[in-house]
Amino acid sequence: GAGVSQSPRYKVTKRGQDVALRCDPISGHVSLYWYRQALGQGPEFLTYFNYEAQQDKSGLPNDRFSAERPEGSISTLTIQRTEQRDSAMYRCASSPGQGDGYTFGSGTRLTVV
Amino acid sequence: QKEVEQNSGPLSVPEGAIASLNCTYSDRVSQSFFWYRQYSGKSPELIMSIYSNGDKEDGRFTAQLNKASQYVSLLIRDSQPSDSATYLCAGGNQGGKLIFGQGTELSVKP
Repeated sequence: GAGVSQSPRYKVTKRGQDVALRCDPISGHVSLYWYRQALGQGPEFLTYFNYEAQQDKSGLPNDRFSAERPEGSISTLTIQRTEQRDSAMYRCASSPGQGDGYTFGSGTRLTVV
Repeated sequence: QKEVEQNSGPLSVPEGAIASLNCTYSDRVSQSFFWYRQYSGKSPELIMSIYSNGDKEDGRFTAQLNKASQYVSLLIRDSQPSDSATYLCAGGNQGGKLIFGQGTELSVKP
């Protein structure tokens, strides 16, 4: 697509529910990244993929968080058993290759109540 | 030391002045450096990249990199009110990901 597309834009969920956040990168972009951004802070790295291979998941806060990119295009970030502290803006970005500048999507605002 | 550090500001400059935004980084960040602009409520937008020591100019923007001092800066000439935003500095590490600073809020007063 023309840009990085994330869905949903907003998600309100009850504590304990699972959520899946979707990212559709720019067509042809090899690398896909997930970040989380708190208000007034810079994006915080979660995980990234080159093609379908997860290269680094060191930023995932705990084992309730997982991500996949099975066909090397669309990616899903899943949070199981959500907690209020998971509330944040989740941002996806893609780049033509590793080391290139990113293009960010519009983000998914997750609120856990 | 944080991997990428920025003064959170706010930095206030009058319209037409030069805005200078600064960033320092640790040894864990070394490969490439980027400046992003983020308007309130919007996503970060890439405005400059710099990979080697020295200056890189693009329109009213100049990025400066000094690897010996582990310092990268962004100068905005002839600042306009539309430049008011948060500017994020990011550095790439050998693992391929970007590490972002907390951002500097810039306010350009008419």
